[in-house]
Amino acid sequence: EDQVTQSPEALRLQEGESSSLNCSYTVSGLRGLFWYRQDPGKGPEFLFTLYSAGEEKEKERLKATLTKKESFLHITAPKPEDSATYLCAVQAPWGYGGSQGNLIFGKGTKLSVKP
Amino acid sequence: DSGVTQTPKHLITATGQRVTLRCSPRSGDLSVYWYQQSLDQGLQFLIHYYNGEERAKGNILERFSAQQFPDLHSELNLSSLELGDSALYFCASSVSVGRADMQYFGPGTRLTVL
Repeated sequence: EDQVTQSPEALRLQEGESSSLNCSYTVSGLRGLFWYRQDPGKGPEFLFTLYSAGEEKEKERLKATLTKKESFLHITAPKPEDSATYLCAVQAPWGYGGSQGNLIFGKGTKLSVKP
Repeated sequence: DSGVTQTPKHLITATGQRVTLRCSPRSGDLSVYWYQQSLDQGLQFLIHYYNGEERAKGNILERFSAQQFPDLHSELNLSSLELGDSALYFCASSVSVGRADMQYFGPGTRLTVL
């Protein structure tokens, strides 16, 4: 069964303390890996899409990287406003289990950044 | 603002009842996906519609059904509600199907079954 595993489940950082979040996946035939940010009670907010191993994308203090079996979300010098749950998702292979594009989500990493 | 709208924002109802959740996709998006988010399960795919046709089903109970209308808005119908159906329900839309294009999520409907 395809799985997406995120670690750690929760991460507490001091403001300015850089760190990384991990997302490992077992789906074969990856069509895309997505990172979302979710604030409590809100809908997931799109951050990045990665398509192939070696690809990197950056946005402000966030940088996402992709290898053949995992992705990292690096957070550089985080601020309290970066506190949120970060979700990783992979797009199910076409036709796999009838899939036509739905996302398979990990359970997320809850990030808290203290001032 | 993702451009995806969902109504209502909150819904409180009793066991055994039936409710309808509504989703309007972003302008131009033909695909609508429904997801359920509960505390212990995370985000789970329920069902996918593309241009009015059902394309895929995920972990959707038989008590749940959905449809997409000619104007592309979608409704998720939940019947014979149980306590365990309490969750956040999100819809997401994307331009097409078959490409790894991004899905934009709505703000969600929080369903509480008492």
